[in-house]
Amino acid sequence: EAGVTQSPTHLIKTRGQQATLRCSPISGHTSVYWYQQALGLGLQFLLWYDEGEERNRGNFPPRFSGRQFPNYSSELNVNALELEDSALYLCASSLGTYGYEQYFGPGTRLTVT
Amino acid sequence: SQQGEEDPQALSIQEGENATMNCSYKTSINNLQWYRQNSGRGLVHLILIRSNEREKHSGRLRVTLDTSKKSSSLLITASRAADTASYFCATDAEDDKIIFGKGTRLHILP
Repeated sequence: EAGVTQSPTHLIKTRGQQATLRCSPISGHTSVYWYQQALGLGLQFLLWYDEGEERNRGNFPPRFSGRQFPNYSSELNVNALELEDSALYLCASSLGTYGYEQYFGPGTRLTVT
Repeated sequence: SQQGEEDPQALSIQEGENATMNCSYKTSINNLQWYRQNSGRGLVHLILIRSNEREKHSGRLRVTLDTSKKSSSLLITASRAADTASYFCATDAEDDKIIFGKGTRLHILP
């Protein structure tokens, strides 16, 4: 069974541009989570989607947004990129909402220059 | 500040020894999970312990949870070179946010 996939693997953008990151969950998983892992800050919870709806978001500005499609894949959009947005963005999926383990993708390395 | 805080930040032990990592959190939780990350890419789920459980085992892993002290520990017995990784605890708090700590970097020396 295929695991969580993310694309692209690497993304280099210029400050002020927009970035779009994509995630495909494991088949049958309805919940998708996005995390940012910046150097020295550990994993920061960004967004949680379940059944097509945003269920919760972390302490990030509104220029971080996303959506979940009917096939449960998800997209993370970062507008007006800033240098400090450079990080590894991890997507995870789970079967449900509470108490289910999350399966992580390999991540997208976003570099903002 | 982080909900989950791992301790120590880094740990180096000889192969074959046991490694213990701790995690403290601040608010009430539904469950706590431990993850491993190799080479800064992707995370692998290790074990989930619910708030009404005190101890769980999985192979060489033993996790304890003390909700009165808001802390958890991860014990890896008979460590191997392949255990070299960063280990994170994640709390599924009652406000539905999932919070990770900064992790413990474990290095197994040959």
